[in-house]
Amino acid sequence: SQQGEEDPQALSIQEGENATMNCSYKTSINNLQWYRQNSGRGLVHLILIRSNEREKHSGRLRVTLDTSKKSSSLLITASRAADTASYFCATEITDKLIFGTGTRLQVFP
Amino acid sequence: DAGVIQSPRHEVTEMGQEVTLRCKPISGHNSLFWYRQTMMRGLELLIYFNNNVPIDDSGMPEDRFSAKMPNASFSTLKIQPSEPRDSAVYFCASTRTRGETQYFGPGTRLLVL
Repeated sequence: SQQGEEDPQALSIQEGENATMNCSYKTSINNLQWYRQNSGRGLVHLILIRSNEREKHSGRLRVTLDTSKKSSSLLITASRAADTASYFCATEITDKLIFGTGTRLQVFP
Repeated sequence: DAGVIQSPRHEVTEMGQEVTLRCKPISGHNSLFWYRQTMMRGLELLIYFNNNVPIDDSGMPEDRFSAKMPNASFSTLKIQPSEPRDSAVYFCASTRTRGETQYFGPGTRLLVL
């Protein structure tokens, strides 16, 4: 079964708005990573947050991690049409990444 | 750096045929992963290697699937015989340090008729 479950499954917003995606997982982790996948392409790493970190920023991306709730969120601020993609969380357990089901983000110009 | 290279990018074959997918990881990366992505099952880890040695193949669906890594710069995933339910996008990824950022190839889109 999937370790990570993203919520929502799909999200549609206008350019300039913020997009928030959530990820819940089941077991203890070493780190949690977020990836992006454009249609028909491979996954691209966005950000990694370790289990002892609570928040991390990278450009317009902000990731939080709450290990007590076994959840993480990815915030994309001031979204652009080019942010349209699927976003996956992945939990690292014993050197393996277990990917969630993904959130499909559509940003309209 | 060229990134992770996969070939072929697309493969169409008939049921019962042998299919071989190829991957060249990023130079200097010690771990290599094979994934399968379908709409129904999402992204599944099939097998991963560390220093050319298979570490975990628990995700390999059945005996029809096999993977090898004869050296640090090349890996293959073979399906023999192929079946229509094997149709999917197969990704290869590599990483310098286990558990850290993985770099994905563009994938091989496989269609088994």
